[in-house]
Amino acid sequence: QSALTQPRSVSGSPGQSVAISCTGTNSDVGGYDYVSWYQQRPGKAPKLMIFDVTERPSGVPDRFSGSKSGNTASLTISGLQAEDEADYYCCSYAGRYTFDVVFGGGTKLTVL
Amino acid sequence: EVQLVQSGAEVKQPGESLKISCKGSGYSFTKHWIGWVRQMPGKGLEWMGLIYPGDSNTKYSPSFQGQVSISVDNSISTAYLQWSSLKASDTAMYYCGRAHYGQVDYWGQGTLVTV
Repeated sequence: QSALTQPRSVSGSPGQSVAISCTGTNSDVGGYDYVSWYQQRPGKAPKLMIFDVTERPSGVPDRFSGSKSGNTASLTISGLQAEDEADYYCCSYAGRYTFDVVFGGGTKLTVL
Repeated sequence: EVQLVQSGAEVKQPGESLKISCKGSGYSFTKHWIGWVRQMPGKGLEWMGLIYPGDSNTKYSPSFQGQVSISVDNSISTAYLQWSSLKASDTAMYYCGRAHYGQVDYWGQGTLVTV
């Protein structure tokens, strides 16, 4: 299946909010509530930031939130901090009858 | 504490075989899917495949079917990713992760493979 569609880059100033979109189809994002988001800093392994569309793992600041409408999921980061600068990837379950998971292409977040 | 610890970096010649590992600890290894993810230099994350250690049920992404092999040894709580004949295009960082419906809550530190 095709990768989910994310903007290549977004930016914001410290204290602002930014949203990163992740568009799929009704066979993946729109069909299941298993959307996750990962933060990856240079040279590091990805880190889970959001799972099950809206849930935050323990230890992830509540400045990070997830949502979904139709075939598009979003990650919103409020109160931007310099340490949030990283690449962000979405991922969706896509059903058991195909290879059942797909990533987005990734979004580079720059904190100005 | 849940941990996934991957084997060290590898430098190989084209045509050589390779098997890298991912050892789980701190949880019931046989009850969670393990996935492998490729990241080529400067590029994004790509799912390669998933294995359920409990019954060795394995799924491959169409892009990687026939190119790699995924296996487990439950006696040592370790998953493997294997190539029979490496190509230069296999140069990448490879991550393992504990997955639930594709959602990876714990990641290995990555294994850099240079061909």
